[in-house]
Amino acid sequence: EDKVVQSPLSLVVHEGDTVTLNCSYEVTNFRSLLWYKQEKKAPTFLFMLTSSGIEKKSGRLSSILDKKELFSILNITATQTGDSAVYLCAVPTGTASKLTFGTGTRLQVTL
Amino acid sequence: DTGVSQDPRHKITKRGQNVTFRCDPISEHNRLYWYRQTLGQGPEFLTYFQNEAQLKKSRLLSDRFSAERPKGSFSTLEIQRTEQGDSAMYLCASSPPGGVEQYFGPGTRLTVT
Repeated sequence: EDKVVQSPLSLVVHEGDTVTLNCSYEVTNFRSLLWYKQEKKAPTFLFMLTSSGIEKKSGRLSSILDKKELFSILNITATQTGDSAVYLCAVPTGTASKLTFGTGTRLQVTL
Repeated sequence: DTGVSQDPRHKITKRGQNVTFRCDPISEHNRLYWYRQTLGQGPEFLTYFQNEAQLKKSRLLSDRFSAERPKGSFSTLEIQRTEQGDSAMYLCASSPPGGVEQYFGPGTRLTVT
């Protein structure tokens, strides 16, 4: 069965800290991995990664994929209170490309 | 285009009642997905449409659940004889032709009392 595991489950940091969120996966026929940010409502798309070793960046957020070791990390530098959210990792699986999600990492950034 | 929209945003219903939710995907997105999310969990896949055809259903989707996408545009998800275990956030997402990334709507939060 396809599986996506995220760690840690939750994290509290001070504003300005750097955080690393982890996502490991076991899926058949891997094609890509996606990161989403979820505040109080719907998940918002952040990144899609398909190739190992190529970092994707968007402002203070960056992500990288390791297809050999079957994991991805999401880094957030100089965290701000607005980064407080649940970060979800997902992998498209099956012919329908339905997303299989991890349980998410809840990040809280305090002043 | 303002993205995926869902209606209603919140629904409170009594056990045993039927409810129907609507999703309007991003225009020109031919694929539409329904997911359910409970507290502390990631979204779980329910069903998938490519244009008007329902091509995949999860084992989570009992016979009390039915979804339609007439004319390949908006979609509806109906739950009959609701149970307390149906209380969850119901999310709709759409995806463009050839694309893998899915764009989510704001969700419908269902509470069954």
